[in-house]
Amino acid sequence: EAGVAQSPRYKIIEKRQSVAFWCNPISGHATLYWYQQILGQGPKLLIQFQNNGVVDDSQLPKDRFSAERLKGVDSTLKIQPAKLEDSAVYLCASSLGTGLWGANVLTFGAGSRLTVL
Amino acid sequence: DQQVKQNSPSLSVQEGRISILNCDYTNSMFDYFLWYKKYPAEGPTFLISISSIKDKNEDGRFTVFLNKSAKHLSLHIVPSQPGDSAVYFCAAFPLTGANSKLTFGKGITLSVRP
Repeated sequence: EAGVAQSPRYKIIEKRQSVAFWCNPISGHATLYWYQQILGQGPKLLIQFQNNGVVDDSQLPKDRFSAERLKGVDSTLKIQPAKLEDSAVYLCASSLGTGLWGANVLTFGAGSRLTVL
Repeated sequence: DQQVKQNSPSLSVQEGRISILNCDYTNSMFDYFLWYKKYPAEGPTFLISISSIKDKNEDGRFTVFLNKSAKHLSLHIVPSQPGDSAVYFCAAFPLTGANSKLTFGKGITLSVRP
């Protein structure tokens, strides 16, 4: 079974520039997550999709971050404009569903490391 | 507000000995707990889980213990191997609630010395 694919793996930009990350989840996984992991901290949920609908985006800084999952499969996370504090690894994950035993066993991608200078 | 706390940032043990990684939580609504393992430049991978109706779950060398009254869980690795060197995240979520989501701790870096 193919894993969760993410690109790019690394990105360096200057503050106020924009960046976009792409994620392709495991086939058949209805739920897709974007997490932000700042160095020395645990992953923090930014947004959760169930198919192509948003389930939770309460921790997404909506003034600069946006995400979409138009066809209920792959997803894009965008940051515009970037700030220094956005330097982090952006992890995409997928799972079969929510609220069920085993459904929160997320499969993560390798992540996209963003450095904002 | 850290709802899942991993207060020890690192742990070093000798190969063959037991590794004990601790995790505390504050949200009494959490009823499912997971441990994830992360190698450098890779995403976290699921290791083992436990539900609140149990106090122990075992999978090979890995055992997770849950003490609900103390809001504490621990991951035991016996025997520890050099390949176990990684960052271990404790995570928890409530099964009920409108937005049931996984909350992670900060992680513990385990180093297993040959």
